[in-house]
Amino acid sequence: GAGVSQSPRYKVAKRGQDVALRCDPISGHVSLFWYQQALGQGPEFLTYFQNEAQLDKSGLPSDRFFAERPEGSVSTLKIQRTQQEDSAVYLCASRREPVGRKYGYTFGSGTRLTVV
Amino acid sequence: GQQLNQSPQSMFIQEGEDVSMNCTSSSIFNTWLWYKQDPGEGPVLLIALYKAGELTSNGRLTAQFGITRKDSFLNISASIPSDVGIYFCAGQLGTSGSRLTFGEGTQLTVNP
Repeated sequence: GAGVSQSPRYKVAKRGQDVALRCDPISGHVSLFWYQQALGQGPEFLTYFQNEAQLDKSGLPSDRFFAERPEGSVSTLKIQRTQQEDSAVYLCASRREPVGRKYGYTFGSGTRLTVV
Repeated sequence: GQQLNQSPQSMFIQEGEDVSMNCTSSSIFNTWLWYKQDPGEGPVLLIALYKAGELTSNGRLTAQFGITRKDSFLNISASIPSDVGIYFCAGQLGTSGSRLTFGEGTQLTVNP
């Protein structure tokens, strides 16, 4: 597609429930990033993929968070045993590799997760 | 996690006024970016800066990459109602694969 697509747009989960958030990057973009944006804050880095390889997962807040991108395109962010502090907007971004001075980072609209 | 210091947190201005916001960091960055985020949407890139001292314009927007590589500012001239939104600065240390570190955002309100 023309942009980064995320689904679902909204997710309400009961505390303790597992959730899976999906990201469809722009076709041909090899780099994919996940960010977490708490209410009233800027996005914070979670993890980064280059194709199917997860090259940086240092931003994942706990071992309840897991991300995968098995075929180097669609990515899924999974949160196990959700807690109230997991409530946030989860943003996915994809990027074509820099060409000259072009940057090419494109964000999706995000998934708003509310844990009750 | 680490975030950049962005100010002001919010601004209320009249249509036609100029706006200035800035971002500082205790660490150096090799790339500075400015994004705008509308409600329910992801951030959209406004301006990218790649070199210390660089001054770049995009229509009514002008941004500069500080000479120390620890700060940046964004100016919006002759504001219009559609400029309403949250503006974020972001710094990147490397190039390929490097994460973005975001500021806390500046909420801009433009009164017609």
